[in-house]
Amino acid sequence: QSALTQPASVSGSPGQSITISCTGTRSDVGGYNFVSWYQQHPGEAPKLMVYDVSARPSGVSNRFSGSKSGNTASLTISGLQAEDEAAYYCSSYTSSTTLVFGGGTLVTVL
Amino acid sequence: QVQLVDSGGGVVQPGRSLRLSCVASGFTFTSYGMHWVRQAPGKGLEWVAVISDNANKKYYADSVKGRFTISRDNSKNTLYLQMNSLRAEDTAVYYCAKDRISQFFDYVFDYWGQGTLVTVSS
Repeated sequence: QSALTQPASVSGSPGQSITISCTGTRSDVGGYNFVSWYQQHPGEAPKLMVYDVSARPSGVSNRFSGSKSGNTASLTISGLQAEDEAAYYCSSYTSSTTLVFGGGTLVTVL
Repeated sequence: QVQLVDSGGGVVQPGRSLRLSCVASGFTFTSYGMHWVRQAPGKGLEWVAVISDNANKKYYADSVKGRFTISRDNSKNTLYLQMNSLRAEDTAVYYCAKDRISQFFDYVFDYWGQGTLVTVSS
């Protein structure tokens, strides 16, 4: 199972909005509404930010939103803040009853 | 509060074995599927394996199938990962992770352990 495709890096200024894409195939992203997004700060365990394409866990800011079109899912961070600087990973359930992650995107707040 | 404590990592020679453990607390362990996820140094996340709440379903990534075995002891609230025939490419921080929903698993990880580092080197 190949990793989902994410841009290596995305940057934005405080207050701006940025979008991270996550491209897969019909066997994963395109076939199921089971896409999740995780935030990981250096030296820490990942944190769940979005699941089932667009649902947010309790406690996660509504500045984080998810969507999907075809084989590509997206995570949008609005009102970018310094603490949003981190690596972001998408994941998707697959037709092989496994999970595949994206390669990760480093978000930089300018 | 939910707590997952990973342990068992270390330096091991290629071809040897190692068993990781993850002790869970703060939730009803027997009701949730559990996963192992790994991260090679400076690299991205890779899902490794999942086990259902009653251990009757187990699935593995192709990269570890036949070499790694996931198991659990519900009487001890503990998840395990037995790793055999280790290779250099298995070097990573290994995290245990709790599935979000009970009595099934949907591959969404709402809690993670702190991770334990496994280094495979001669």
